[in-house]
Formats: sequence, C-alpha cells, structure tokens
Amino acid sequence: EAGVAQSPRYKIIEKRQSVAFWCNPISGHATLYWYQQILGQGPKLLIQFQNNGVVDDSQLPKDRFSAERLKGVDSTLKIQPAKLEDSAVYLCASSRDRGSFYEQYFGPGTRLTVT
Amino acid sequence: AQTVTQSQPEMSVQEAETVTLSCTYDTSESNYYLFWYKQPPSRQMILVIRQEAYKQQNATENRFSVNFQKAAKSFSLKISDSQLGDTAMYFCAFILNRDDKIIFGKGTRLHILP
Repeated sequence: EAGVAQSPRYKIIEKRQSVAFWCNPISGHATLYWYQQILGQGPKLLIQFQNNGVVDDSQLPKDRFSAERLKGVDSTLKIQPAKLEDSAVYLCASSRDRGSFYEQYFGPGTRLTVT
Repeated sequence: AQTVTQSQPEMSVQEAETVTLSCTYDTSESNYYLFWYKQPPSRQMILVIRQEAYKQQNATENRFSVNFQKAAKSFSLKISDSQLGDTAMYFCAFILNRDDKIIFGKGTRLHILP
C-alpha cells in the first residue's frame, strides 16, 4: 500500500511570494489533514477535510493560507503572500475516515524556507 | 485547553541501554487516545505506540512500552535495548474521542550513541 505522497519536498521562496504544496493521501482514505511544524515544535493542525468538505479550519490563517480538496482525493495548500514566520515543515496526513481518527498516516512533509 | 508537555528537549544514551522519555498532559476529558510518534531526521513521522485511556494495561510494541498513569496524567515511553535506528525526534500526543485533532508535545530529540 502506497503511503501519503507530498511534493515538493523542499521549497525556498522570498517573503511576499506565493507557494503551493500538494498532497495525495493513501488510496481510499476519506479524511485528510494539513499540519504545520515549526522548528522545535510539534505539528499543529491547520485544516482537516472529510472527502471534499472542510471539517476544521479554525487554526488556518485565512488571510494568507488556503486549501482545497476538490475531488475528495488529493489536496493543495497555498500560501499567498508568504511571511518569514511561515518557514516550517508542512505535513499532510490521512485516515480511513473520521471514525479512524486514532490512525493517521503522515507524509514526508514539505520543508518551506521563506527568506 | 488540552496540552502536552515533554520536559526533556534532548537525551543521549548508549546503544543497548534502556531509556525513558517523559510526557505529561492535561485534559478534563476522560475518553482519549495517547500516542508516541517517531520522526527520524528528514524522514516521515510514524506511530510507535498507542494507548487507549480506558485501558489500564500498558501498551507494548516489541522494544517499546509505555507507563500510563491516568490519575497523574503521565504517559512515559520506555525503549529497551536501544538501537542506532532509534535516533529520532519523539513526540508525545493525544486525541480526544469526541474530536479528531491530535495535540502534540514539543518533542524530545533522542540520540543513540554507538
């Protein structure tokens, strides 16, 4: 079974530029999560999807961050415009469904550096 | 608010030794899961062990075991016969049964020395 795929693995941009990250969850997993992991901290949930609907985006900075999962499979997270404090690893995770919340599988992450 | 505290930012032990990583958490809820995740350098996060709060018996997975003290809200991880491949960042985390948002601690960086 293929794991959670993410791309790119690394990205360096200048502040005020835009960037997008892509995630493809494990096949058949209905629930998808995006986490932000700042250096020296644990991951923090940004947004959670159930199929193509948003379940929780309470910690997503909506003035600059957006995310979509149009067909209920892969997902894109965008930052526009980026700030220095957005430098972090962005992790995508998936679970079979909301009832399987205790079994989340993580992707390798995208390391973003904003200069 | 739910919180997770890992009081050891970094630890080093010799290969084959036993090491214990500490974790405390705070919640007023009674139904939740606790986890230890491992994040090797530049590699993805994987689940090491999981404990359901209603189970009194401590979870074990091969060389990994936990000491779950519900009243004290403590959830430590013991790694026996440590191996070089155990070098990683370890995160303690929990999730409420009524919610599917994982709350992570800040992590403990573990170095296994040859």
